[in-house]
Amino acid sequence: GEDVEQSLFLSVREGDSSVINCTYTDSSSTYLYWYKQEPGAGLQLLTYIFSNMDMKQDQRLTVLLNKKDKHLSLRIADTQTGDSAIYFCAGRYNTDKLIFGTGTRLQVFP
Amino acid sequence: DSGVTQTPKHLITATGQRVTLRCSPRSGDLSVYWYQQSLDQGLQFLIQYYNGEERAKGNILERFSAQQFPDLHSELNLSSLELGDSALYFCASSVGLGAQYEQYFGPGTRLTVT
Repeated sequence: GEDVEQSLFLSVREGDSSVINCTYTDSSSTYLYWYKQEPGAGLQLLTYIFSNMDMKQDQRLTVLLNKKDKHLSLRIADTQTGDSAIYFCAGRYNTDKLIFGTGTRLQVFP
Repeated sequence: DSGVTQTPKHLITATGQRVTLRCSPRSGDLSVYWYQQSLDQGLQFLIQYYNGEERAKGNILERFSAQQFPDLHSELNLSSLELGDSALYFCASSVGLGAQYEQYFGPGTRLTVT
């Protein structure tokens, strides 16, 4: 079945890079996503990667996909306090539904 | 602003009651998804509609039901509410079927059952 795991918490200093990790069990997902959820807000799509890609860069965001290890990561360069939020990885499977990870709370301190 | 609207923003009700959550998709989007976010279960898919018809079902309880109307708005009905139903309920919409179409999320309805 589909199962997506993330570490629960990450704390970084402003200006440093953040790396949020995600592991999944079902490799049939065609797309893998990263969403951001700020307090009291909905889910904002940050970026996505096709399953046939290894890496995707989008401004301060870099997504790495290791299909062999079923591991996905999101790197945020020059992390800012405005990046403090909960980050979810998600896979999209044959029925269109999104399977979300457990979420990683990123806290950025000055 | 994603273009997806959900009402109400907050809802407080008692156990045993029934509530209806409403979602208006982005203009032109035919597919609507409902997700539940709770402390116990995390974010999980409930149900999907496409152009008025049920398309996929996830971990949706029998006490819950949904529908999509001809104008494409959707309602999620929750009945015989229990404390454990307290959660944030998200609606998302996409223009078509298939993973190539992004899902846009609404701001959510926070349901508190007391």
